[in-house]
Amino acid sequence: KQEVTQIPAALSVPEGENLVLNCSFTDSAIYNLQWFRQDPGKGLTSLLLIQSSQREQTSGRLNASLDKSSGRSTLYIAASQPGDSATYLCAVSNTGNQFYFGTGTSLTVIP
Amino acid sequence: DVKVTQSSRYLVKRTGEKVFLECVQDMDHENMFWYRQDPGLGLRLIYFSYDVKMKEKGDIPEGYSVSREKKERFSLILESASTNQTSMYLCASKTGAVGTEAFFGQGTRLTVV
Repeated sequence: KQEVTQIPAALSVPEGENLVLNCSFTDSAIYNLQWFRQDPGKGLTSLLLIQSSQREQTSGRLNASLDKSSGRSTLYIAASQPGDSATYLCAVSNTGNQFYFGTGTSLTVIP
Repeated sequence: DVKVTQSSRYLVKRTGEKVFLECVQDMDHENMFWYRQDPGLGLRLIYFSYDVKMKEKGDIPEGYSVSREKKERFSLILESASTNQTSMYLCASKTGAVGTEAFFGQGTRLTVV
């Protein structure tokens, strides 16, 4: 069964810093990987979707990379802002429909 | 924009009650999912549905059932609520095409007392 790990579990950075969140998975036979943001007590907001044939995707200050062979993905956030404070979750899909989730990285950006 | 709407943000129910959690999506998606989210355990799949009246068990189906009578609506049913079902419940939907993006509702925080 696919296992997804996110390290670190929590991260605090000063405003303006660039940062990287990590996601690793045990089964490299994936269809895609999706990054989500979750604010406290809320649902998940989709940030980026990377197909297995892609190496990276970008949206604004966010850049997600995928190294399928090593079972790793990173989410790079440039010039962090207090509004970026949230929990970030990665999810991988082996079948193209079901997703397996990591437990998330809780990010705090300090003004 | 895709909209996935869960009927309640917060619910408090008593042990033994039958509980219905409703989820509606407005994008004609074939696939719909119910997850529960608990601290330290992440999101775990309870059930999913790939078509009307079709359902598949996820990783933790015990104590739950589902209903999908219309394409846009997917209901999660707790037949007899127990305190260990206190959790955040999240509904998601996506198209039936392989590898497409999943969209989530705002979540229902259920407390069973």
